[in-house]
Amino acid sequence: DGGITQSPKYLFRKEGQNVTLSCEQNLNHDAMYWYRQDPGQGLRLIYYSQIVNDFQKGDIAEGYSVSREKKESFPLTVTSAQKNPTAFYLCASSYDNGNEQFFGPGTRLTVL
Amino acid sequence: QQPVQSPQAVILREGEDAVINCSSSKALYSVHWYRQKHGEAPVFLMILLKGGEQKGHEKISASFNEKKQQSSLYLTASQLSYSGTYFCGTESLDSNYQLIWGAGTKLIIKP
Repeated sequence: DGGITQSPKYLFRKEGQNVTLSCEQNLNHDAMYWYRQDPGQGLRLIYYSQIVNDFQKGDIAEGYSVSREKKESFPLTVTSAQKNPTAFYLCASSYDNGNEQFFGPGTRLTVL
Repeated sequence: QQPVQSPQAVILREGEDAVINCSSSKALYSVHWYRQKHGEAPVFLMILLKGGEQKGHEKISASFNEKKQQSSLYLTASQLSYSGTYFCGTESLDSNYQLIWGAGTKLIIKP
């Protein structure tokens, strides 16, 4: 079955540690996205990538980094520079920009 | 820059109708609608494009007023499965054609 997967589902991190969230898709989509969702809020764009080896900052990129070395994979690293990283992180992909986005199940990150 | 959704929340009885609105101050290229159930990922409902084209599920209806930069999602004869939070995402030149999401409208359907 085609789809988009994220791991882990829950992640706990100590302050000062970097952590990497995985996102993999087998939909053959060119575009991939990372969003952050806080309780009772909409989604905010962290980074997006429209093609392999290229990515752009979204509205809240500070404290985060990404890579897009393969079409299927778009990992997100939450660095110690991110002041308030506790949130629900959603990865999405689409055939190209502007089309329907397919979302992964999300990773809930908690900083202890 | 974030689109404004209204109402923030609505409670319906099964079978009743609801309208959810999304309004932007920007000149929009498209409006996207998604539904999210608690703790789950958002699921695509519809895209409304400037010029009138629509892509989405047959059972969902929506409108896009390009002059007012407003979109409305119409939920008729609501079912229990319609419960969740509805988000609009707006796409414009200002946003580099990336989606800017509203804060959501929580819909509760009671039997």
